[in-house]
Amino acid sequence: GAVVSQHPSWVICKSGTSVKIECRSLDFQATTMFWYRQFPKQSLMLMATSNEGSKATYEQGVEKDKFLINHASLTLSTLTVTSAHPEDSSFYICSVGNSGALTDTQYFGPGTRLTVL
Amino acid sequence: GQQLNQSPQSMFIQEGEDVSMNCTSSSIFNTWLWYKQDPGEGPVLLIALYKAGELTSNGRLTAQFGITRKDSFLNISASIPSDVGIYFCAGQPNSGAGSYQLTFGKGTKLSVIP
Repeated sequence: GAVVSQHPSWVICKSGTSVKIECRSLDFQATTMFWYRQFPKQSLMLMATSNEGSKATYEQGVEKDKFLINHASLTLSTLTVTSAHPEDSSFYICSVGNSGALTDTQYFGPGTRLTVL
Repeated sequence: GQQLNQSPQSMFIQEGEDVSMNCTSSSIFNTWLWYKQDPGEGPVLLIALYKAGELTSNGRLTAQFGITRKDSFLNISASIPSDVGIYFCAGQPNSGAGSYQLTFGKGTKLSVIP
């Protein structure tokens, strides 16, 4: 299956700063990637679908201006948490699919733990 | 919006025992997904279900899409220590064009006693 990496693995930042998280598909060209977040000891939440060369599709309740997604190449999608606040602290995970469909085989990255002070 | 109830929240079982967990929804879903997550890692998609009544296996795992389309079950047979982790269900309604509206259950934490 696809190998997916995320960078950084963890990040601590001050409130008000912006943080960029990278998701790379190392051996697979992905036209679609997915971004999730997971609160401590809680369930996952699908945030958005990242489409290469076009705008991301955001799930209901996810602020587009707060969580900026850029999918500029077939191997890289970035999630930028703008003006981060403590409530944005979470585990952010990306995934890559074979066909671009969420319900097909997904390969998940190892996640990025964001802590906003 | 949709609500998913996943149970049990946690379970401790002896190695070799069978395990069963389920998710129920307040509304109809068109797709059910089951994931496993190890601590500190991203989840792994185990099984995807697309039709009411569908029964799908993946090794020792078997999942079923309930007839009412409001529930799904995951069974693990002959559990082994590496089955330890948190299992999440997720459901997707027929949302049409646009977002997936994927809803996750809160997870079942499985511990296997050797």
